[in-house]
Amino acid sequence: GAVVSQHPSWVICKSGTSVKIECRSLDFQATTMFWYRQFPKQSLMLMATSNEGSKATYEQGVEKDKFLINHASLTLSTLTVTSAHPEDSSFYICSATLPNSGNTIYFGEGSWLTVV
Amino acid sequence: AQRVTQPEKLLSVFKGAPVELKCNYSYSGSPELFWYVQYSRQRLQLLLRHISRESIKGFTADLNKGETSFHLKKPFAQEEDSAMYYCALNQGGKLIFGQGTELSVKP
Repeated sequence: GAVVSQHPSWVICKSGTSVKIECRSLDFQATTMFWYRQFPKQSLMLMATSNEGSKATYEQGVEKDKFLINHASLTLSTLTVTSAHPEDSSFYICSATLPNSGNTIYFGEGSWLTVV
Repeated sequence: AQRVTQPEKLLSVFKGAPVELKCNYSYSGSPELFWYVQYSRQRLQLLLRHISRESIKGFTADLNKGETSFHLKKPFAQEEDSAMYYCALNQGGKLIFGQGTELSVKP
């Protein structure tokens, strides 16, 4: 069964608005989660590392003020796309490492964001 | 710099033919490599990890440190193998992905 869950699976929002995507670890605590973005027909690109109780670490070229990450609990990380634009339309995916599993990395089902 | 390269964007084969999806990496240290598969409109699924040395759905992959490669192989492709395949390198829990190879298996 799924060990990492994302919500919503898909969302449509208007330009200029903000949208929040949740990533939950199910039945385990994840001090670190990762957020990826996948444009159509392209590979996954790491956006940021979400750290519980501290600031996220962003990859080069990712605007931290635009992609707000909050990891307030050990089972939830949220990604908020602020002032969304059509070019932010993408598939956003989170991952977490299941403890005591030999560092097995699990992915959420992904969230499709369409900005109109 | 750490990098994963999948040179083929698309690989098209007929059912029953052998398949090899290429992956090369650049990493200073002992790499931990994975193959993930993404079927149409589904989440990314782990297919193989090099440390387990197991065969999943008939696929195998051997880490060749001399050639810095981790090619994915299957002796007889099936139509249901059609999907996107990503090679990935683990860097402390975060994954560096290759560009992906679309495998198309034709009847």
